[in-house]
Amino acid sequence: KAGVTQTPRYLIKTRGQQVTLSCSPISGHRSVSWYQQTPGQGLQFLFEYFSETQRNKGNFPGRFSGRQFSNSRSEMNVSTLELGDSALYLCASSPYGHEQFFGPGTRLTVL
Amino acid sequence: DQQVKQNSPSLSVQEGRISILNCDYTNSMFDYFLWYKKYPAEGPTFLISISSIKDKNEDGRFTVFLNKSAKHLSLHIVPSQPGDSAVYFCAASGTAGGSYIPTFGRGTSLIVHP
Repeated sequence: KAGVTQTPRYLIKTRGQQVTLSCSPISGHRSVSWYQQTPGQGLQFLFEYFSETQRNKGNFPGRFSGRQFSNSRSEMNVSTLELGDSALYLCASSPYGHEQFFGPGTRLTVL
Repeated sequence: DQQVKQNSPSLSVQEGRISILNCDYTNSMFDYFLWYKKYPAEGPTFLISISSIKDKNEDGRFTVFLNKSAKHLSLHIVPSQPGDSAVYFCAASGTAGGSYIPTFGRGTSLIVHP
């Protein structure tokens, strides 16, 4: 089975712009979660989608949003980018249960 | 407030010796615990897990111990190998509405010297 894929792998944006990141989960996995990783902060949970519905949401401002399509692919959008949004954004998919399978991440740099 | 804490940001070990990575949690609702390993430029990969009904789980060179009363778990790697050098994340989850979203610690960077 192919693993979780994320595009693009690297992205440079300027403050005020918006960005859309894409994630394709492992075939058959219906749950897709997004995390933000910054130095020294570990993985901060953004949100989880299951069957096209947001099932859980972390403590992030409304500038961060996402969606899931009928084929389980997911997108994450960040509007009005701030310097502090520079991070590695990780997508993970899960069939059912505790274990999550992560993609390689998208490295976002905001200048 | 951090619900999962990895108090050692880094750990250095000699090849062949034991590596012990520690993790503490505060939420009593957590009933499943996982360790992930992360290499640079890659996403985290699942390593080993343990349910709260057990106190030990072993998989090859990796053993996870859980002390529920102390809300503490540890990952033992024996013997340590240079390829084990990576960042290790501890994660904890509980069943909430059918979702198992884990809470992660900030990670411990393990360096195994040849």
